[in-house]
Amino acid sequence: GAVVSQHPSWVICKSGTSVKIECRSLDFQATTMFWYRQFPKQSLMLMATSNEGSKATYEQGVEKDKFLINHASLTLSTLTVTSAHPEDSSFYICSAREASGPSYEQYFGPGTRLTVT
Amino acid sequence: DQQVKQNSPSLSVQEGRISILNCDYTNSMFDYFLWYKKYPAEGPTFLISISSIKDKNEDGRFTVFLNKSAKHLSLHIVPSQPGDSAVYFCAAGGMTTDSWGKLQFGAGTQVVVTP
Repeated sequence: GAVVSQHPSWVICKSGTSVKIECRSLDFQATTMFWYRQFPKQSLMLMATSNEGSKATYEQGVEKDKFLINHASLTLSTLTVTSAHPEDSSFYICSAREASGPSYEQYFGPGTRLTVT
Repeated sequence: DQQVKQNSPSLSVQEGRISILNCDYTNSMFDYFLWYKKYPAEGPTFLISISSIKDKNEDGRFTVFLNKSAKHLSLHIVPSQPGDSAVYFCAAGGMTTDSWGKLQFGAGTQVVVTP
């Protein structure tokens, strides 16, 4: 149980275009989903916290107009990278917290590799 | 400001021996700590966790020790197996209103288990 999927697993896009990444909890309801970004050989950096039915909370330094997050249902959150630039190239990982589980347990998706050319 | 630190970027251990991974933290408000294992191009998978009210938690080959006074925790893997070769992340979280459910991650330790 507690499976989280992400789609796509990798994407290449041109500078100036927008890319949408989906995060789904497959077998549980996720009241909260988190979006992380990981640079090569570095830690996971929390970008934002997404609660179902409400606006996302962004961490300091993360541009909310550039990284649009929508958590429309208890099983789906999306991250849209708008007007992507090469510096947005990274590995994006989402995680989901089960509605009925301990508050600290998060289940991670497999990640999405974004390359902006 | 890195609140969770893993000062050893890599660790090499022989198969069958014990792997000891260390993690230090600075925020005394953290209530729980977790260890995740991660393979390249994959998301982290949960290994084991410990609440701040405990000093040890064991699950199979994995044991986590917490020393609150030293703000230090460690993960012991025994015996180490080749399949344990991966990057291990230490993570910590708190129960305050601002930090509810959020995790702070260390930089990770690359473990290589040699035959």
